[in-house]
Amino acid sequence: GENVEQHPSTLSVQEGDSAVIKCTYSDSASNYFPWYKQELGKRPQLIIDIRSNVGEKKDQRIAVTLNKTAKHFSLHITETQPEDSAVYFCASRRALTFGSGTRLQVQP
Amino acid sequence: GAVVSQHPSRVICKSGTSVKIECRSLDFQATTMFWYRQFPKQSLMLMATSNEGSKATYEQGVEKDKFLINHASLTLSTLTVTSAHPEDSSFYICSARAGTPGETQYFGPGTRLLVL
Repeated sequence: GENVEQHPSTLSVQEGDSAVIKCTYSDSASNYFPWYKQELGKRPQLIIDIRSNVGEKKDQRIAVTLNKTAKHFSLHITETQPEDSAVYFCASRRALTFGSGTRLQVQP
Repeated sequence: GAVVSQHPSRVICKSGTSVKIECRSLDFQATTMFWYRQFPKQSLMLMATSNEGSKATYEQGVEKDKFLINHASLTLSTLTVTSAHPEDSSFYICSARAGTPGETQYFGPGTRLLVL
């Protein structure tokens, strides 16, 4: 089955800095790559997604890039704010195989 | 966005009893629903995929006789944990998808199960 690896497992940045989280996937047929944000004890919330026919997508401070050849995709958060602190999961494939998660801590 | 509800939000039960968790799509018809389990500080692990009116497809290592899934309508799927044991204690989250593969999945708020 699909294997999704996510790095780093934890990330601490200063408020205003950028944060980058990377994921690799194994199934070359995967064509849908969402990113979810999960706060403690709550449901995952979709923050951005990208389909395999584009290489980059941006929504305000959040962007996702996709490299199909290398089979990796990344989440970029600019101008981080304390409320960005959460666990972020990448996912792949139709049934959503999730990465292991990245705990982002934004220091005020 | 679409709304998915789950009930109950948390449940405590004795070892050996069965627990039923409901997942409902409130404002759209979910042709496919997914059940995930999440242990503390871990990722979401897909347990099974269910399509309305057909049997669920279970992931490797998930006991279908222990985790009974019913997707009787386009807005309701249920997960029954039979003969629950303390190791079944976890956060169970459903998600629902309206259209073809690739359409956004919407997650329920989760059910925290504690088996004593």
